[in-house]
Amino acid sequence: NAGVTQTPKFQVLKTGQSMTLQCAQDMNHEYMSWYRQDPGMGLRLIHYSVGAGITDQGEVPNGYNVSRSTTEDFPLRLLSAAPSQTSVYFCASSYGGGPSTDTQYFGPGTRLTVL
Amino acid sequence: KNEVEQSPQNLTAQEGEFITINCSYSVGISALHWLQQHPGGGIVSLFMLSSGKKKHGRLIATINIQEKHSSLHITASHPRDSAVYICAGGSQGNLIFGKGTKLSVKP
Repeated sequence: NAGVTQTPKFQVLKTGQSMTLQCAQDMNHEYMSWYRQDPGMGLRLIHYSVGAGITDQGEVPNGYNVSRSTTEDFPLRLLSAAPSQTSVYFCASSYGGGPSTDTQYFGPGTRLTVL
Repeated sequence: KNEVEQSPQNLTAQEGEFITINCSYSVGISALHWLQQHPGGGIVSLFMLSSGKKKHGRLIATINIQEKHSSLHITASHPRDSAVYICAGGSQGNLIFGKGTKLSVKP
């Protein structure tokens, strides 16, 4: 199993550009989530999904969009990038209970810089 | 006040020492997660616990639900244990993270 994969590993954007961060898992996990990690702030939840077709907002959803059309994939879209979105982004997945009951498996991260 | 707080923020130890990292939380959670992040970024789950104690190799995690407190212990520490250790509270769809404890183990 590849586990949780993320692409790209690094990305530089200009303010106003849009892009999609990809996340995929091959463990048949129902729960998937996106976090951002900023120095001094810790990790914060952006969006999560408890299954295909179901998504919900986390702590810091503004400026980001998600959809979940398949169990395997959970892309994160930046609609109009801003310097405040410069961060490291992690995707995670687990069985259906999510963080309340299940071990979380993290992807390797995407380092995004917005100029 | 952060909902999940860790102490200490930074910890330096000599190889072989017994290490304790503490985590206190002020929110209702269903499970407490301990994670490890090495320099260069990857995050690995060490433990998930909702009561009592778990052990894996030289790592031990405990939780006291009444006191809303968890500890991560490392016995016979080694330089390869150098990393950031993060505790996080799991509640419904959410993980609420502490800011991490940076551990450096010197040979």
